[in-house]
Amino acid sequence: KAGVTQTPRYLIKTRGQQVTLSCSPISGHRSVSWYQQTPGQGLQFLFEYFSETQRNKGNFPGRFSGRQFSNSRSEMNVSTLELGDSALYLCASSLVAGQGDGANVLTFGAGSRLTVL
Amino acid sequence: AQSVTQPDIHITVSEGASLELRCNYSYGATPYLFWYVQSPGQGLQLLLKYFSGDTLVQGIKGFEAEFKRSQSSFNLRKPSVHWSDAAEYFCAVGAEGSQGNLIFGKGTKLSVKP
Repeated sequence: KAGVTQTPRYLIKTRGQQVTLSCSPISGHRSVSWYQQTPGQGLQFLFEYFSETQRNKGNFPGRFSGRQFSNSRSEMNVSTLELGDSALYLCASSLVAGQGDGANVLTFGAGSRLTVL
Repeated sequence: AQSVTQPDIHITVSEGASLELRCNYSYGATPYLFWYVQSPGQGLQLLLKYFSGDTLVQGIKGFEAEFKRSQSSFNLRKPSVHWSDAAEYFCAVGAEGSQGNLIFGKGTKLSVKP
């Protein structure tokens, strides 16, 4: 069974640009969550999607957005990039309650490393 | 507010020695608790989880953790550390009302001396 796939793995952008990151969840997983990881702030929750709807959102500015498609694949977008957006962006997928053992357990991808210059 | 504290930023142990990584959480109800491990440049791998039941849980790679409600702790242990265990370890608690929202500790970096 393939794991969570994130693309691209590495990218470099300049301030003011925007970026789109992609996440393909494990087959059958319908919940997708995104996290930002930085040395200073650690792992912070961005948002969670289920059935193409955002279920929860962390404390990030509106420049951070996401969406989920009908096949559960998800994208996140960061507009007007700032230097502080340089981070490892992690996507995680999970089964949901009622889908059996493994519900509420996040499986993470390898991440997309974003550098903003 | 929910929170997770990992008091040790960096721990160094000798190969073959025992290991205990500490984790304390703040949560109003019965928590979902997790330990994840991250190798450099990689994502997070689940070591073990606690939802309910037996307070001593076994995980992968020989790790175990014990949930102690009275101490709000969920410490990770391993009886004999291998050089390949060198990595960063994160404790996390499931946020109330949000299955996809885990509150993570700041992590403990483990170094292993030969």
